[in-house]
Amino acid sequence: EDKVVQSPLSLVVHEGDTVTLNCSYEVTNFRSLLWYKQEKKAPTFLFMLTSSGIEKKSGRLSSILDKKELFSILNITATQTGDSAIYLCAVAVTNSGYALNFGKGTSLLVTP
Amino acid sequence: SQTIHQWPATLVQPVGSPLSLECTVEGTSNPNLYWYRQAAGRGLQLLFYSVGIGQISSEVPQNLSASRPQDRQFILSSKKLLLSDSGFYLCAWRASGGAINNEQFFGPGTRLTVL
Repeated sequence: EDKVVQSPLSLVVHEGDTVTLNCSYEVTNFRSLLWYKQEKKAPTFLFMLTSSGIEKKSGRLSSILDKKELFSILNITATQTGDSAIYLCAVAVTNSGYALNFGKGTSLLVTP
Repeated sequence: SQTIHQWPATLVQPVGSPLSLECTVEGTSNPNLYWYRQAAGRGLQLLFYSVGIGQISSEVPQNLSASRPQDRQFILSSKKLLLSDSGFYLCAWRASGGAINNEQFFGPGTRLTVL
């Protein structure tokens, strides 16, 4: 059975802190790993990773994939209150029409 | 640019009543389409996916069904809702042509409460 596990499940930090969110996976037919940010409504896309060791970066957010150890991390530097959200990790597999297997998410709260 | 619509945004239905949720995508052709559900305390779960008109695959046995009557329209239905059907229903699309590592994009979602 395909499995995606995120840790920690929740996190509280102060503004300006740096956080690292973890995602490990065990799937057959791996194609890509995706990160999403979910506030009150639908998830919004952050990154898609397909190759090991290549960092994707967008502003204060960055992510990297390790296909040998089967995990990914999402880093957020200089956190702001607007970063408070649930961060979802998902893995796309080549069967099931590239549907996504999601972890349960990490709930991040950034306090002023 | 592509956009994805879902309606209704919220819905409160009694147990045993029927359900129809609609999803449409604009600005793309022959997308892969997906229905996911996010229940309280659980992660996003794939319910159905479709790679073309009339082609539906189900991932989880349940009292829900899906149909794709047109290329960019995806409908989620039930004949009789259960309490356990409550949740946040998300439709997503993915481009099927070109690079095979296309991202999935989500619609705004429908929050369903079954009483």
